[in-house]
Amino acid sequence: KAGVTQTPRYLIKTRGQQVTLSCSPISGHRSVSWYQQTPGQGLQFLFEYFSETQRNKGNFPGRFSGRQFSNSRSEMNVSTLELGDSALYLCASSFEGTYNEQFFGPGTRLTVL
Amino acid sequence: GENVEQHPSTLSVQEGDSAVIKCTYSDSASNYFPWYKQELGKGPQLIIDIRSNVGEKKDQRIAVTLNKTAKHFSLHITETQPEDSAVYFCAASPDSNYQLIWGAGTKLIIKP
Repeated sequence: KAGVTQTPRYLIKTRGQQVTLSCSPISGHRSVSWYQQTPGQGLQFLFEYFSETQRNKGNFPGRFSGRQFSNSRSEMNVSTLELGDSALYLCASSFEGTYNEQFFGPGTRLTVL
Repeated sequence: GENVEQHPSTLSVQEGDSAVIKCTYSDSASNYFPWYKQELGKGPQLIIDIRSNVGEKKDQRIAVTLNKTAKHFSLHITETQPEDSAVYFCAASPDSNYQLIWGAGTKLIIKP
């Protein structure tokens, strides 16, 4: 079956702009989690959605938001971009949540100039 | 909240030798401990996981051990091969809050 897809794969924005990233989970998976990955910082948890509800949120400012649609596809939005937001943003899907195997997409590489 | 520390940050071993990566966690309520492998240009992929009701789990050349008293768990890779070169992440989760807390990662280099 098809894996997790993320679009776009690469994105270049300037400070102050906003950006929307998209994630399509594996068919049948109801949980989608988002992570920010930067060199030396590992994976930082942003939030997790399950059946259109945000179940948990990491320690990121309110500029980072997300949503999940009825078909389990998810989007995350970052407003008022800062240079420090440059990172690889990973989406992961699973059937029930992070307590089960998560399947990651290839990520969206965001560069903020 | 939970905090996971992972060591070493870089590990270089000769092909055929064993590699061991260690993680410690702070929250005694954590009871799920997965290990993920991330190859260049790809997202992480689960390679093995362990739950708190067992002390050790093996899958071919890979094993994970868990010491709940000391709050640490380790990944063991035997007979390392070039394809084992990657970044490895440990994580911990108390199942009550649907969140995985990740270690900072270990870059494993297999020398031919």
